[in-house]
Amino acid sequence: GENVEQHPSTLSVQEGDSAVIKCTYSDSASNYFPWYKQELGKGPQLIIDIRSNVGEKKDQRIAVTLNKTAKHFSLHITETQPEDSAVYFCAASIATGNTPLVFGKGTRLSVIA
Amino acid sequence: DAGVIQSPRHEVTEMGQEVTLRCKPISGHNSLFWYRQTMMRGLELLIYFNNNVPIDDSGMPEDRFSAKMPNASFSTLKIQPSEPRDSAVYFCASSFEWSAQYFGPGTRLTVL
Repeated sequence: GENVEQHPSTLSVQEGDSAVIKCTYSDSASNYFPWYKQELGKGPQLIIDIRSNVGEKKDQRIAVTLNKTAKHFSLHITETQPEDSAVYFCAASIATGNTPLVFGKGTRLSVIA
Repeated sequence: DAGVIQSPRHEVTEMGQEVTLRCKPISGHNSLFWYRQTMMRGLELLIYFNNNVPIDDSGMPEDRFSAKMPNASFSTLKIQPSEPRDSAVYFCASSFEWSAQYFGPGTRLTVL
């Protein structure tokens, strides 16, 4: 089955700097890759997703890149702000298959003002 | 537009008691997932349904745990009897088919 590895487990950046979180997956058939942000006391919230037919997707200060050959994908947050501090999870699945998302272990991002 | 609704938000109970957690998925979604989150084990998938049918319950830790989905708009996760090690945050999520999952706010369960 699918296995998703996420790095780093913790990340501290200065406000205004960029943050990058990386994930690798094992199943080459996976074709759907969402990212979730979980703030303290709340459920994970979908922030951006990408499908395997594109290599990059942007939404304001966040972007996701996908390298299908290397089987890894990354989340990029630019101009970080204190409200970006949260735990971020990557996930992978075969969107048309009878299988659910497989999540990484999460990255705790701290943005220092 | 209402998201996934879970109740109760907090539950404190004593060991041995029955606990029932409830979930209302987003209207139109046909897949529903129950997760458990702890500091030690992270986010664990317990069971998931598609079109109200349980597909995989291999993540359910013990026979004390059971889940039902009697219709497209309601699901329950039951623990009987509860134990202190069941203390965790339980999330319900729903999706249309197998793409983006949308999570509820969670139920924080404390078993004394």
